[in-house]
Amino acid sequence: DAMVIQNPRYQVTQFGKPVTLSCSQTLNHNVMYWYQQKSSQAPKLLFHYYDKDFNNEADTPDNFQSRRPNTSFCFLDIRSPGLGDAAMYLCATSRRDSYTDTQYFGPGTRLTVL
Amino acid sequence: TQLLEQSPQFLSIQEGENLTVYCNSSSVFSSLQWYRQEPGEGPVLLVTVVTGGEVKKLKRLTFQFGDARKDSSLHITAAQPGDTGLYLCAGAGRNAGNMLTFGGGTRLMVKP
Repeated sequence: DAMVIQNPRYQVTQFGKPVTLSCSQTLNHNVMYWYQQKSSQAPKLLFHYYDKDFNNEADTPDNFQSRRPNTSFCFLDIRSPGLGDAAMYLCATSRRDSYTDTQYFGPGTRLTVL
Repeated sequence: TQLLEQSPQFLSIQEGENLTVYCNSSSVFSSLQWYRQEPGEGPVLLVTVVTGGEVKKLKRLTFQFGDARKDSSLHITAAQPGDTGLYLCAGAGRNAGNMLTFGGGTRLMVKP
């Protein structure tokens, strides 16, 4: 089945220690998104790639970076995680030229910062 | 800036009861998605509605898109404990570069 895959599902890191989260998709979608979600809140968009074009949200901290080496993969790098960065990180994909703009989410990575 | 107000925030009901969740906005959306999210998992797409006035049914769930494409509702008939979760509405707008505007979510608990 076509899907969005996130690894790892659970990540524990230490305060200030860089961490990378990964996302892959078999949907061949041209847009990939990274969201941060804190408990029982709606997901908050960090940035997205439309093909190779990177689009950062204005309030996304510089501590968060992303890479998309090819259509299928996208990475979220947190350069110096703080305690406030503990959250669920969600990857989503969509097809920009589709009629509905529907986004499909992965299962998420739960990040714990010690 | 597009805003999407979702209500209620919390809902605790007994198995077998009916419920409705609402999402309202002053903005027009090109489409609107409903997701359900369980603890520790990502949001799972339930439905996308596109046409004003559209009604879609998914077993005991009925989704409606307002005529003006500014609001939507989710009605669950005879709720079951398996319906427990966080329900999110999200509108896509051409003016927002196709980014999703999320409602605040409705946390539903269905007690057996």
